[in-house]
Amino acid sequence: AQKITQTQPGMFVQEKEAVTLDCTYDTSDPSYGLFWYKQPSSGEMIFLIYQGSYDQQNATEGRYSLNFQKARKSANLVISASQLGDSAMYFCAMRTDRGSTLGRLYFGRGTQLTVWP
Amino acid sequence: DVKVTQSSRYLVKRTGEKVFLECVQDMDHENMFWYRQDPGLGLRLIYFSYDVKMKEKGDIPEGYSVSREKKERFSLILESASTNQTSMYLCASSPGQGKGGDTQYFGPGTRLTVL
Repeated sequence: AQKITQTQPGMFVQEKEAVTLDCTYDTSDPSYGLFWYKQPSSGEMIFLIYQGSYDQQNATEGRYSLNFQKARKSANLVISASQLGDSAMYFCAMRTDRGSTLGRLYFGRGTQLTVWP
Repeated sequence: DVKVTQSSRYLVKRTGEKVFLECVQDMDHENMFWYRQDPGLGLRLIYFSYDVKMKEKGDIPEGYSVSREKKERFSLILESASTNQTSMYLCASSPGQGKGGDTQYFGPGTRLTVL
């Protein structure tokens, strides 16, 4: 079974500081993808960053980086230089690459990030 | 840019009504998905589709049906709305296997209230 765990229901960070949001996953498939999404209070899910299971380097997208530790089955999101606009719910998700569940995502419960001035 | 649109941001319906939620994507994506999101339960997959006229059940298909007559459009149907279907509904699309990580892109969501 596929499973995503986000253990931090809420996180607080001061503006301009870096913050790490934790995500662990469980799968027996050798091929999979890991994603982070941001959901502001407006409700839309915004894609942030993607890491493939065979990618050798950690993914980066601007201020976002994904700390991928395959042996530990963790895929933490690092946001550098936090901004007030980063306050939102953040979801980690995993895509399976085989069988009848090909292409679907499994989501964690999310972490609510609050950035304070 | 990928664009996924949903027919309504807010919708209020009465118990027993038939409800249609429409989703359209403009990027020629193969896959489309419907989720519902509830506080404390996260996102749950209702149905998904890999191709026109194809559909697969997700984790919570009961009380819902879907239709995909054209590649760009995926409709979610509540045959007889009930109060426990009050929720946020999110539609998503993705390119398909082996294409750019097969990233799912989401629409703005529809907040449905069933009275």
